[in-house]
Amino acid sequence: DVKVTQSSRYLVKRTGEKVFLECVQDMDHENMFWYRQDPGLGLRLIYFSYDVKMKEKGDIPEGYSVSREKKERFSLILESASTNQTSMYLCASSSRVPLHFGNGTRLTVT
Amino acid sequence: AQSVSQHNHHVILSEAASLELGCNYSYGGTVNLFWYVQYPGQHLQLLLKYFSGDPLVKGIKGFEAEFIKSKFSFNLRKPSVQWSDTAEYFCAVMESSGTYKYIFGTGTRLKVLA
Repeated sequence: DVKVTQSSRYLVKRTGEKVFLECVQDMDHENMFWYRQDPGLGLRLIYFSYDVKMKEKGDIPEGYSVSREKKERFSLILESASTNQTSMYLCASSSRVPLHFGNGTRLTVT
Repeated sequence: AQSVSQHNHHVILSEAASLELGCNYSYGGTVNLFWYVQYPGQHLQLLLKYFSGDPLVKGIKGFEAEFIKSKFSFNLRKPSVQWSDTAEYFCAVMESSGTYKYIFGTGTRLKVLA
């Protein structure tokens, strides 16, 4: 069974801090994704990656960056956290279809 | 740009009632269609998918969905819901052009009363 592991379930950070959200998958999937989930807005794609060191902007990349140095790991970086980045962050991976999701990281920025 | 619309944001049903959740998408090309479910406190998981062939697809837990190409719709149905179906349901579209990029709808929160 595919396992997508997000390093933290809950995070509380202060405005202006640099925040790292880590995601690891164990199925050698080429594709990895970061979404944020907000009530009434569904899932919105932040960034995705087709391969190591490759990244593509999603629909809402502003304020975020990503890193994929190894195939199994995809990191989301908030360079300077702001309160409007308080959200649930979901990592997912796939080899073609379907998407497999992690449990999510609930980030609160105060 | 592609988009996915789920018209029902909140649905409340009694057990044994029938369910239909609407999903419409805007994309003129070939698409793959999905329904995902998120039970309280759990991660999103695949409910069913459509790639090609029979437009009526069956998924887990008695759910099914019908792809109607002319209406750009992929509605989810279940003849008789259970309390354990209480969850949030997301419709998603993926282009078949090889990008593997998924677009999700805004979700429908279903509450089933025992």
